[in-house]
Amino acid sequence: DGGITQSPKYLFRKEGQNVTLSCEQNLNHDAMYWYRQDPGQGLRLIYYSQIVNDFQKGDIAEGYSVSREKKESFPLTVTSAQKNPTAFYLCASSISGGLREQYFGPGTRLTVT
Amino acid sequence: GNSVTQMEGPVTLSEEAFLTINCTYTATGYPSLFWYVQYPGEGLQLLLKATKADDKGSNKGFEATYRKETTSFHLEKGSVQVSDSAVYFCALSEKAAGNKLTFGGGTRVLVKP
Repeated sequence: DGGITQSPKYLFRKEGQNVTLSCEQNLNHDAMYWYRQDPGQGLRLIYYSQIVNDFQKGDIAEGYSVSREKKESFPLTVTSAQKNPTAFYLCASSISGGLREQYFGPGTRLTVT
Repeated sequence: GNSVTQMEGPVTLSEEAFLTINCTYTATGYPSLFWYVQYPGEGLQLLLKATKADDKGSNKGFEATYRKETTSFHLEKGSVQVSDSAVYFCALSEKAAGNKLTFGGGTRVLVKP
């Protein structure tokens, strides 16, 4: 089955700790994206990558970091500098070139106390 | 910049009622338009899309027409079911913006038996 996996589904951390969220896809997509969703709100773009070893900041990149060492993987690190890290995080991927739809993973709900 | 505005919910309907969710957009170029659906605790699924003016996207009984003159992409379904209860997001993607998706705030739909 082709798709996007995110793990874990639920993640709990203490304030001041960095945490890394996993995103893997086997769709052979070049582009990958990370979004944040807060209760009752739309999605906001954190980072995106259109090709391996390259990525760009989205609208709310402060306090986050990413890497893209492999085509299949795009992990997101939520650092202690992120002031309000508790949220639902969604990873997506798409074919590069043109205006392609994005395919989403099931999400990771991060709670920081 | 780009923006998407959709009607606030929640929208509460009885089964077999007609559903309309309004969506209007602002974009500098020629975007593609999407409707995504999110079921509780899950990621987003693409519902339908349209890539140019006057295109009609359709899927699972849902329809939306790309209206450039009114910059709108309203979602409609003639007869809703309880299983259509979800949050619906309108989104646009523009090539000049690196194929990033800009989302509306989402509309929660609740269908009662």
